[in-house]
Amino acid sequence: GQQVMQIPQYQHVQEGEDFTTYCNSSTTLSNIQWYKQRPGGHPVFLIQLVKSGEVKKQKRLTFQFGEAKKNSSLHITATQTTDVGTYFCAVRSTLGRLYFGRGTQLTVWP
Amino acid sequence: GAGVSQSPSNKVTEKGKDVELRCDPISGHTALYWYRQRLGQGLEFLIYFQGNSAPDKSGLPSDRFSAERTGESVSTLTIQRTQQEDSAVYLCASSRGEQLSYEQYFGPGTRLTVT
Repeated sequence: GQQVMQIPQYQHVQEGEDFTTYCNSSTTLSNIQWYKQRPGGHPVFLIQLVKSGEVKKQKRLTFQFGEAKKNSSLHITATQTTDVGTYFCAVRSTLGRLYFGRGTQLTVWP
Repeated sequence: GAGVSQSPSNKVTEKGKDVELRCDPISGHTALYWYRQRLGQGLEFLIYFQGNSAPDKSGLPSDRFSAERTGESVSTLTIQRTQQEDSAVYLCASSRGEQLSYEQYFGPGTRLTVT
């Protein structure tokens, strides 16, 4: 099945520092989705990337899809305590099932 | 409804008992997923329903786990003879269909504790 590797597993930053999580696949992806799960909550959809080299921004969050469509990144500029949570990437197989990365757990120290 | 709902929100059961977890997807969503999430861990895929197609059961960890879905609505996940290692949050998610672009909407989960 479709597999996607996500790194790092954990990231601890001081408030105001930047944060990046990466997802990598050995195969070309049709698209990639990103989700955020707050502590004690459930995953919530953030964004979907479809085009090669695509870059999308949501306030301090920047999402990129690689030119070869085999990797993606989520970058947060000047983290805030509200950014705390686990960020998951997810890719969908041609049969429809969604495969999630193992997630990056972000901790932000005030 | 406004979103995916799951019941119960919490379930404490004794080892060896059977439990049934319920998921109500968003109306009109043909795809439904069940995941298991242990404390501090990622999402472990259990089962996927898409319309009238045969479900993808490849993630069910043992024959103690089973799930059903009535048409394109409610789904129940049943765990028989529960074990302590079954303790986790069970998340249900639905999406509009199997199209590649459809996002998943998650329910709040059922926290299962097996004592």
